[in-house]
Amino acid sequence: HLQLQESGPGLVKPSETLSLTCTVSGDSISRNPSYYWVWIRQPPGKGLEWVGSVYYSGSTYYNPSLKSRVTISIDPSRNQFSLKLSSMTAADTAVYYCARDFRTISAVLTPQNYWGQGTLVTVSS
Amino acid sequence: QSVLTQTPSASGTPGQRVTISCSGSSSNIGSTAVNWFQQLPGTAPTLLIYNNDERPSGVPDRFSGSKSGTSASLAISGLQSEDEAHYYCAAWDNSLNGWVFGGGTKLTVL
Repeated sequence: HLQLQESGPGLVKPSETLSLTCTVSGDSISRNPSYYWVWIRQPPGKGLEWVGSVYYSGSTYYNPSLKSRVTISIDPSRNQFSLKLSSMTAADTAVYYCARDFRTISAVLTPQNYWGQGTLVTVSS
Repeated sequence: QSVLTQTPSASGTPGQRVTISCSGSSSNIGSTAVNWFQQLPGTAPTLLIYNNDERPSGVPDRFSGSKSGTSASLAISGLQSEDEAHYYCAAWDNSLNGWVFGGGTKLTVL
């Protein structure tokens, strides 16, 4: 059973760069070659926002509204993928979730969708 | 401002049938499948409906989804107290080349 766990700082100062890591367990990233790995965030009391996706080969898709500030990378050997978001502001305060997408690279939707529990990141000086 | 539009709130009494709507555009719902997530308080979202009307195993058949044009609906029949949650629609957007979500509907069971 696939499990994901986010890790990183809970507090970031304005203008700094956020770094989060998602550790996958119960299976390996390399054994899931049909799927993208995703970061999604949710500001307190608000809806969900897709941040970006990464494939195990390293190819990425980013939300255009965040593209200039986002870098997502993947390390299949460590079973981890990571998010970096630069120039943080209060508007970036959110719960950040990592997940395995349920849309395959062939654009087929599957019922298997796995999420981490989420980590709250607050931007404050 | 979410790309997909949902009514912020809905309510019903136990046993009732409620419907939650979601509207989008030709680049998302109009050309790709709609999916629905349920988010219980303090937890991560879980996939409730995928590919417009399919249910993952373990999701009761009280939950059903439909799509027409650039709009979609989630119906919950035989409403139960444990259905009180936020519900989000989601679709792949071919222009954005990524996922878009609705702003969420808070369902209250009276």
